[in-house]
Amino acid sequence: AQSVSQHNHHVILSEAASLELGCNYSYGGTVNLFWYVQYPGQHLQLLLKYFSGDPLVKGIKGFEAEFIKSKFSFNLRKPSVQWSDTAEYFCAVNAASNDYKLSFGAGTTVTVRA
Amino acid sequence: SAVISQKPSRDICQRGTSLTIQCQVDSQVTMMFWYRQQPGQSLTLIATANQGSEATYESGFVIDKFPISRPNLTFSTLTVSNMSPEDSSIYLCSVEDPSGQSSYNEQFFGPGTRLTVL
Repeated sequence: AQSVSQHNHHVILSEAASLELGCNYSYGGTVNLFWYVQYPGQHLQLLLKYFSGDPLVKGIKGFEAEFIKSKFSFNLRKPSVQWSDTAEYFCAVNAASNDYKLSFGAGTTVTVRA
Repeated sequence: SAVISQKPSRDICQRGTSLTIQCQVDSQVTMMFWYRQQPGQSLTLIATANQGSEATYESGFVIDKFPISRPNLTFSTLTVSNMSPEDSSIYLCSVEDPSGQSSYNEQFFGPGTRLTVL
């Protein structure tokens, strides 16, 4: 079945540490890739997106993600996290093969300790 | 982007009752979506609602349980019918980019409605 997989359920790290969250998808063909973030008590917000072009995309708040087509991956990174990055992060994919319906990964809870 | 509001923000309901959730968008949009986020799980698409046509439901969701209305281009409702504790979830509506500039189906989400069924 077509799906979106996030490797980590819960990540705990200290401020200034680097963060990388894995995301793999199983859709073939044309895909659009997204990372959404949900801060405590807030609604889902778009962090960054990839449609085409440079596979390294930069989003808000210093986040970036790299699309590696051969690996069906779209990993999220941030070189130095802050306490305010504590949130739940969702990888999402829409694909031509799925009528561009948005499919979400299970989410990764990131806790940053001050 | 779009500003999306939902009512109610949360509710506690008794088993067997129904709840209607409203979603209002600050601009006209063609497609609206309803999602469910069960405790500790990711978002699952319930249905797609286009103005002027019947909603399209995903596998595992049926109109009798989740009737949807879409009376105009800025508003939609989702009803959770004959509720059971298993329906306890956050229900979210979303819309595609109303500016029409994104041809890649980017979605914007409402704040969600947290439903608890006793």
